[in-house]
Amino acid sequence: DIQMTQSPSTLSASVGDRVTITCRASQSISSWLAWYQQKPGKAPKLLIYKASSLESGVPSRFSGSGSGTEFTLTISSLQPDDFATYYCQQYNSYSLTFGGGTKVEIK
Amino acid sequence: EVQLVESGGGLVQPGGSLRLSCAASGFTVSSNYMSWVRQAPGKGLEWVSVIYSGGSTYYADSVKGRFTISRDNSKNTLYLQMNSLRAEDTAVYYCARTVVTGVGPDYFDYWGQGTLVTVSS
Repeated sequence: DIQMTQSPSTLSASVGDRVTITCRASQSISSWLAWYQQKPGKAPKLLIYKASSLESGVPSRFSGSGSGTEFTLTISSLQPDDFATYYCQQYNSYSLTFGGGTKVEIK
Repeated sequence: EVQLVESGGGLVQPGGSLRLSCAASGFTVSSNYMSWVRQAPGKGLEWVSVIYSGGSTYYADSVKGRFTISRDNSKNTLYLQMNSLRAEDTAVYYCARTVVTGVGPDYFDYWGQGTLVTVSS
């Protein structure tokens, strides 16, 4: 299976900060990567697919980049609603795998 | 509006069985790829199984041979039959509509609210 590693595992930030989360794949996955946001007690919500394509309805402050083995999710100006846990997920192989998550906390 | 509603979770003893259901509305289950994804308490997400629109099924190694994914087209409902349950199967189980752009499953665009399965004596 392809292993996905996210960093950091926890991130403390303030409203208005620019936030970057990194996701690394154990082998090249081209651009076959999605990002999700999950709030406590809720289901994950799709934010980004194909590494950089914004899902319909997702605010433009979210952006994704990268290819191969290294990817980033950037929130350009953190809003109160953005405090949550974020997961990356690869779909290069039929056995889909997720990163361990990055929790974005209030500083 | 797309909606997915899971049910069937609960407390079961190790070695026991449970069947989860996921009732869909706003789209046709049989025309889509559908998956189950689970999340152990306080942990990350783990893909469990997928059923293709053509009926092919695939499983994570951790559940292969114990879990069976299926669907009832007349009820527009997805199922997960879980046998020989272990403590490590304790998790919230989500059903998710699965986007496909090639042959295999890609990512998940709609998720249910989840149902908790607890395996304990």
